[in-house]
Amino acid sequence: KNEVEQSPQNLTAQEGEFITINCSYSVGISALHWLQQHPGGGIVSLFMLSSGKKKHGRLIATINIQEKHSSLHITASHPRDSAVYICAVRIGNEKLTFGTGTRLTIIP
Amino acid sequence: DTAVSQTPKYLVTQMGNDKSIKCEQNLGHDTMYWYKQDSKKFLKIMFSYNNKELIINETVPNRFSPKSPDKAHLNLHINSLELGDSAVYFCASSQLMGSQHFGDGTRLSIL
Repeated sequence: KNEVEQSPQNLTAQEGEFITINCSYSVGISALHWLQQHPGGGIVSLFMLSSGKKKHGRLIATINIQEKHSSLHITASHPRDSAVYICAVRIGNEKLTFGTGTRLTIIP
Repeated sequence: DTAVSQTPKYLVTQMGNDKSIKCEQNLGHDTMYWYKQDSKKFLKIMFSYNNKELIINETVPNRFSPKSPDKAHLNLHINSLELGDSAVYFCASSQLMGSQHFGDGTRLSIL
């Protein structure tokens, strides 16, 4: 069983919908990252958080350390948000352990 | 200016060959990483260097040898390439415990 589980694996939604992607992990962590990988393959770091909530534009990331759970929300989704969203946790030093990703498709 | 640059972007070669992938970052970060992304898009850490010192080596076959001549460069040399080495390899960098910046990836295909 992977230490980091994401749900759903695939998500298709209409433009404008509110999107939630979930990440659960089973070990103690020092930080959690949300990454975005576009169809072209490049990976961009969206958020790094160890508590509470962060917001950047239409993206919001939350984490509950006690429940070992994080969510990534996208408000007013747009086709350009279509990508794979990857949750990763940092355990101890610098090692990142990755979830299997959520493939998001936003239909115009 | 590209922050983390990897070369080459694509690498097609025959089984048994030796190849290298180069990575450079101009962000002044202390830590650099190599990740492997398999055909199912699953990312896994291979190596991490901090100030030219190896700090993470994740049970990678010793055919893979990272080299960090200075803290801005982390190259990956692979000996005796095998079919299972086909993947996309990502280089990344960060300040200690900070957000990671990724290169565009190198798609390695073994014939």
